[in-house]
Amino acid sequence: EPEVTQTPSHQVTQMGQEVILRCVPISNHLYFYWYRQILGQKVEFLVSFYNNEISEKSEIFDDQFSVERPDGSNFTLKIRSTKLEDSAMYFCASTAQETQYFGPGTRLLVL
Amino acid sequence: SQQGEEDPQALSIQEGENATMNCSYKTSINNLQWYRQNSGRGLVHLILIRSNEREKHSGRLRVTLDTSKKSSSLLITASRAADTASYFCATDRIQGAQKLVFGQGTRLTINP
Repeated sequence: EPEVTQTPSHQVTQMGQEVILRCVPISNHLYFYWYRQILGQKVEFLVSFYNNEISEKSEIFDDQFSVERPDGSNFTLKIRSTKLEDSAMYFCASTAQETQYFGPGTRLLVL
Repeated sequence: SQQGEEDPQALSIQEGENATMNCSYKTSINNLQWYRQNSGRGLVHLILIRSNEREKHSGRLRVTLDTSKKSSSLLITASRAADTASYFCATDRIQGAQKLVFGQGTRLTINP
């Protein structure tokens, strides 16, 4: 059964460093998303992406964040200058119509 | 805010018993979905119910939706130890991008 994959599973970085989180959505899906979950908190929407452009973004998704679909399979989230408060689990999701399928997540720890 | 909120926040039952979790939301929705999350892991989609549906079944899962009360319930029958996880409801709006708004979740523990 097709699934969303994410790499890396864990990433530790120093504050101020750039990180790129990678996702491979399900191949026939057209809508892509990033969410994050700070430890012990609810899952929060960051950004949605459709037809090679951002369709919606949350207040969290400020100028430090960017997304890209560099080729036909990958979907990336870049954080330009990480902050301590960016430490969280980051989930990628994709959908063809209604049901969003989530990847296993990347646990990001900013020191 | 469209927030979905679950209750109870935590539920502990014996294996074999039924578990019921509730979710409330504030705005009109298009769909409501339930997800499971094992500790520190990804979100697994369980079931989607549309705003024009009232009840849906999938194996041991039964979901109801009451749009007049803006609430949904998830029933897991004949619970198993493997059902131990956090359960979240998530809603999306009628119009606009299909972002999901998650509740805080219910932490379910099944005791053997």
